[in-house]
Amino acid sequence: DSGVTQTPKHLITATGQRVTLRCSPRSGDLSVYWYQQSLDQGLQFLIQYYNGEERAKGNILERFSAQQFPDLHSELNLSSLELGDSALYFCASSVASNGELFFGEGSRLTVL
Amino acid sequence: DQQVKQNSPSLSVQEGRISILNCDYTNSMFDYFLWYKKYPAEGPTFLISISSIKDKNEDGRFTVFLNKSAKHLSLHIVPSQPGDSAVYFCAAMSFGNEKLTFGTGTRLTIIP
Repeated sequence: DSGVTQTPKHLITATGQRVTLRCSPRSGDLSVYWYQQSLDQGLQFLIQYYNGEERAKGNILERFSAQQFPDLHSELNLSSLELGDSALYFCASSVASNGELFFGEGSRLTVL
Repeated sequence: DQQVKQNSPSLSVQEGRISILNCDYTNSMFDYFLWYKKYPAEGPTFLISISSIKDKNEDGRFTVFLNKSAKHLSLHIVPSQPGDSAVYFCAAMSFGNEKLTFGTGTRLTIIP
């Protein structure tokens, strides 16, 4: 158990819809990262928050947005969903800047 | 542009023998490299890392080798055990930039 909690574990929705994925980081970790893993792909970095502020941005689509709340939990909002958004979305947290991340179990999104 | 490449999608090794997983990178700005291990239905977990100022780092059965001139790193597992069966991801970053760039992973199967 990494200490990072993601909900929901599975989500099935239709094209055009909007979903919210939630992440609770490990106790004490100020940084939260979101990654997307599509079929047969590596983990693609989406965005990082540090103590409520956006720290780094990757190839995150404009239809996607995220935020980190004062209690340090984070939400990833995906809107106007397309079939290609079907993927495993991972949240990770860390306390140091050395790349050693603690990942949650992921949220599997299926868009039909 | 795949900056971190794992060209072998899968690898099978006999229990007790050495497993060698390979990774190549193209971005010369990367100066810190990590390996993550992932079991089904779980998030990736950090395994071992190496800084670009070193060419080898060892942790128990796991050793990572870095060849900067060839932009190549490898993970050696010896002796291989059935519990090592998992997907292994290579990742790279530049110090000061906390974004990890992942490879597509290699599925290692240890044959009893």
